[in-house]
Amino acid sequence: GAGVSQSPSNKVTEKGKDVELRCDPISGHTALYWYRQSLGQGLEFLIYFQGNSAPDKSGLPSDRFSAERTGGSVSTLTIQRTQQEDSAVYLCASSQGTGDLYEQYFGPGTRLTVT
Amino acid sequence: AQSVTQLGSHVSVSEGALVLLRCNYSSSVPPYLFWYVQYPNQGLQLLLKYTSAATLVKGINGFEAEFKKSETSFHLTKPSAHMSDAAEYFCAVSVGKGRRALTFGSGTRLQVQP
Repeated sequence: GAGVSQSPSNKVTEKGKDVELRCDPISGHTALYWYRQSLGQGLEFLIYFQGNSAPDKSGLPSDRFSAERTGGSVSTLTIQRTQQEDSAVYLCASSQGTGDLYEQYFGPGTRLTVT
Repeated sequence: AQSVTQLGSHVSVSEGALVLLRCNYSSSVPPYLFWYVQYPNQGLQLLLKYTSAATLVKGINGFEAEFKKSETSFHLTKPSAHMSDAAEYFCAVSVGKGRRALTFGSGTRLQVQP
């Protein structure tokens, strides 16, 4: 079937605005991850969802960042009051379950530019 | 806490030459290690992974990596580079119960010269 999809592919926003980034995982994958890829920080883990368990939010850089996953499928990452340092590529990944035996499949990412 | 260090942000080889991309890890518990490749404007694709079975791991596109505990290394190699191998390569580690999120190295951009 289809891979992980993300939308939009590119987003330009003004500083201070809120943005929502969407991730559609592979059908049937119970685990979903968000990562951020930026020039200064490389690839960083942001948040992880597994089934109906409470998400692991340990990687979120500030309280301006939040994410939800509706119905165990689609996920939205929201950044409030965007700052220039939020400019990055936001990558979503999904896997069949937890643990490294389950490969994480990555989407193409959303490139966020904050002006 | 675990970490990954990739030596060399840019590596350039000639087509047909050996590819060697270096990765060293730091972990207080046995790690699981991964190599991912990222082509321009695309997401990450898993090349290979080490999960405490065989120390020499073979992956896609002719790549392989060897886990060396004594050297805390997991270097990626390919005997003969192709132009299509030009991409960015990331080494990653996961540790701990559940082994969920990946911790990535800073990446190595591979150039292949004709």
